[in-house]
Amino acid sequence: QSALTQPASVSGSPGQSITISCTGTSSDIGGYNYVSWYQQHPGKAPKLMIYEVSNRPSGVSNRFSGSKSGNTASLTISGLQAEDEADYYCSSYTSSSTLVFGGGTKLTVL
Amino acid sequence: QVQLQESGPGLVKPSQTLSLTCAVSGGSISSGGYYWSWIRQPPGKGLEWIGYIYYSGSSYYNPSLKSRVTISVDTSKNQFSLKLSSVTAADTAVYYCARVPPTRWFDPWGQGTLVTVSS
Repeated sequence: QSALTQPASVSGSPGQSITISCTGTSSDIGGYNYVSWYQQHPGKAPKLMIYEVSNRPSGVSNRFSGSKSGNTASLTISGLQAEDEADYYCSSYTSSSTLVFGGGTKLTVL
Repeated sequence: QVQLQESGPGLVKPSQTLSLTCAVSGGSISSGGYYWSWIRQPPGKGLEWIGYIYYSGSSYYNPSLKSRVTISVDTSKNQFSLKLSSVTAADTAVYYCARVPPTRWFDPWGQGTLVTVSS
């Protein structure tokens, strides 16, 4: 199975909004609403930010939102803050009953 | 709340078998409803899903690792384990365990354990 495709890096200024894309196929993202997003700070374990495409776990800021169109999922962060600077990964269920991650996106807050 | 903790040797020799255990506390694996997964992250690189197992023993693996991976569950000890055979330097990574609900997301995660493959 191939990794989902994410941009290597994105950047934005404090207060701005950014969107990270995650592109797969009809056998993963396009076929199921089982897309999730994770935030990872250096040296830390990943943290769940979005599940089932657009649901936020309790305790995650409402500045984080998720969506999906066709074979591409997106994570949007509004009102960027310095603490949002981290690596972000998407994940999807696949038609083979397996899971796959994206390659990761480094977010820089300018 | 459920917590997961990885344990195992931090150094493994090439061609040997890497063995790790994930202890689950605050909840019972045998109560069902969740899969239990291993994920790894080579230094400076991205996340790679290794596989997951249900309490009944039903398991699924990353096709790229399937020939070398075995994940097992011990409900009596409330833990699950990873074995990766014939390791090389490319298997050097931080290994994480995580719980996976039916709609397939990872939460919570263990803190991770670094395994280095070197002679």
